[in-house]
Amino acid sequence: QVQLQESGPGLVKPSETLSLTCTVSGGSISSYYWNWIRQPPGKGLEWIGYIFYSGSTKYNPSLKSRVSISLDKSENQFSLKLSSVTAEDTAVYYCASRGYNYGFFEYWGQGTLVTVSS
Amino acid sequence: DIHMTQSPSSLSASVGDRVTITCRASQSISNYLNWYQQKPGKAPKLLIYTASSLQSGVPSTFSGSGSGTDFTLTISNLQPEDYATYYCQHSYSPPYSFGQGTKLEIK
Repeated sequence: QVQLQESGPGLVKPSETLSLTCTVSGGSISSYYWNWIRQPPGKGLEWIGYIFYSGSTKYNPSLKSRVSISLDKSENQFSLKLSSVTAEDTAVYYCASRGYNYGFFEYWGQGTLVTVSS
Repeated sequence: DIHMTQSPSSLSASVGDRVTITCRASQSISNYLNWYQQKPGKAPKLLIYTASSLQSGVPSTFSGSGSGTDFTLTISNLQPEDYATYYCQHSYSPPYSFGQGTKLEIK
C-alpha cells in the first residue's frame, strides 16, 4: 500500500516561494505519476501538475509560469515549488499518485495547509 | 481545457434513500471519468474510476455510469457514513479538472 506524506512550512509570506515535499513509502517511485493538487479553504480541488519517474512534467496552464515539480529518486520524494505567492494560493496542498493508465488519483497524502500571509 | 460541471451543488437525503449526482464534461472524454468522496478535514477518496469501475474496498451501494459527456454517480441505500462531498474528475488529458463538488447532507 502506497503512503504519501506532505511536509513543509505552513506559513509563507506574499511574493515568496512556497516549497513542499511529499515522501513516498510502500511503493516504488518508478510506478506512478506523482501529482500535486490543492484545495482553498471551503472550495473545490485544483490539479497543479505531475512529474513522472523519467523526469517529465506537466503543469496546469493556470499556474505554469510559477510552478516547478521535481523528483528525488534516492529519497523517494517529490517536491513542489510555487513562486510569487499571494493570498489566493492559501490552500490545503495534497500530493497524490496517478497510475500509468486512466489517470485517476488512487493514493493521497493527508494534505497540508499553507497560508500566505505577512 | 475541459470543464466539469456537477449538479446539484448540494443535496439533502435520508438514510436508506437512493441519490444520483450528475457530472457533465464540456467535451467528450470517453470513459475517463472518476468519482471521489471527501469528508471534512480528510483527503478525497477514490470511489469509481473509468466511469463505472468500483475501486477496491468501496461498497457496492456506489455505482457509476455514463460515457462521452454525461455521467452519473448513484448511491443506493444511503448510510450515515455516506454524508460527504462528492467530486467528479476527468482524466482524458492534462490539465485534469474536477467538478465543483456536491455536498450530500442529512435530511
